[in-house]
Amino acid sequence: DAGVIQSPRHEVTEMGQEVTLRCKPISGHDYLFWYRQTMMRGLELLIYFNNNVPIDDSGMPEDRFSAKMPNASFSTLKIQPSEPRDSAVYFCASSFYDRGRDETQYFGPGTRLLVL
Amino acid sequence: SQQGEEDPQALSIQEGENATMNCSYKTSINNLQWYRQNSGRGLVHLILIRSNEREKHSGRLRVTLDTSKKSSSLLITASRAADTASYFCATGISSGSARQLTFGSGTQLTVLP
Repeated sequence: DAGVIQSPRHEVTEMGQEVTLRCKPISGHDYLFWYRQTMMRGLELLIYFNNNVPIDDSGMPEDRFSAKMPNASFSTLKIQPSEPRDSAVYFCASSFYDRGRDETQYFGPGTRLLVL
Repeated sequence: SQQGEEDPQALSIQEGENATMNCSYKTSINNLQWYRQNSGRGLVHLILIRSNEREKHSGRLRVTLDTSKKSSSLLITASRAADTASYFCATGISSGSARQLTFGSGTQLTVLP
């Protein structure tokens, strides 16, 4: 398996623009997580899905952020409009719960976002 | 807010020495996991210890968990330059369909050749 795939790997945009980050989880995994990592705040959980259904979005910073998972093999995280403080590395991770036998999360390489 | 806090924030050792990193947390957990992150990369899972376990080994890694003190430690024996990375503990809480990992702030380990 290719692992979790994220695109783009790098994104530079101007304040006010819409940004869409994409994630393809590992095939067969039933959980998908979006995280944001910054020097100041560390690694924060934004939202996660189970079988394509959002379970907890309490970590989404504000209404400018939205996430969707239209099917088991694709998810998007959208920021509209973007602001400089959104600059961070955004990670997608997936896992297969397997009745508690495996709770490992598998991370993608991340998208490095810079909002000017 | 971060559940796990690592100590020390940074650690520098010579190749061949052992490295110990500690993690403290605040609430009850189902499991505690350790991840590694190389510069510019995603996190990679190292080891998981469940709340009813006290010690676990994997290769050169040894993890302990003390639920009464709400603390864990990660020991890397016979360190190598390639072990240079950031190490994060993550506390896992599971209930129904809820699965949440809360990551600590990490320990930056530098292994000098």
